[in-house]
Amino acid sequence: DTEVTQTPKHLVMGMTNKKSLKCEQHMGHRAMYWYKQKAKKPPELMFVYSYEKLSINESVPSRFSPECPNSSLLNLHLHALQPEDSALYLCASSQMMSDGLEQYFGPGTRLTVT
Amino acid sequence: GESVGLHLPTLSVQEGDNSIINCAYSNSASDYFIWYKQESGKGPQFIIDIRSNMDKRQGQRVTVLLNKTVKHLSLQIAATQPGDSAVYFCAEKRSGNNRLAFGKGNQVVVIP
Repeated sequence: DTEVTQTPKHLVMGMTNKKSLKCEQHMGHRAMYWYKQKAKKPPELMFVYSYEKLSINESVPSRFSPECPNSSLLNLHLHALQPEDSALYLCASSQMMSDGLEQYFGPGTRLTVT
Repeated sequence: GESVGLHLPTLSVQEGDNSIINCAYSNSASDYFIWYKQESGKGPQFIIDIRSNMDKRQGQRVTVLLNKTVKHLSLQIAATQPGDSAVYFCAEKRSGNNRLAFGKGNQVVVIP
């Protein structure tokens, strides 16, 4: 199984809502990532978890809150988002957070903030 | 200057022809490179990777070339098929840095 799954596929939320994005992998990978991708742009790294601990936060606003409940799951909690946060949110995983290891991406959650 | 438009560089290629997609990187400390393919509505999909101690690597119908002298990476797709239509991103990882930095992306459109 080389699949990273993400739910939901699409999400529309208001600026006062609280919602969560979910990501799951069963490849035994110990590094998991959140990326944000705007249309026609490359993915931008948001967070990296290594062995279930937050290792990298790329100065992401606190309205985005990541969580790694176990080695297979990664969540992104959303609260008080802005319309400019509308984007494709991609989850990825790799064997370890080390140099030169391939990241497997999920299909993404298309988020629209109204 | 850097383009801020919403239009990706686009390569239109006839089905069956070979495609070449280019990528320039800026950091000579980068030691690992990946090409990803992203189809509409999907996440990036790994195509092929190469380490900086190599200058060529071949996969199934794809070849990656690395020229460290001019900091240039290319992806060659042989006998391009309609299913190859996608946006292609190069990504680099710098030695000692655990982040992947993605390039701007190139759109490939295969004409049947």
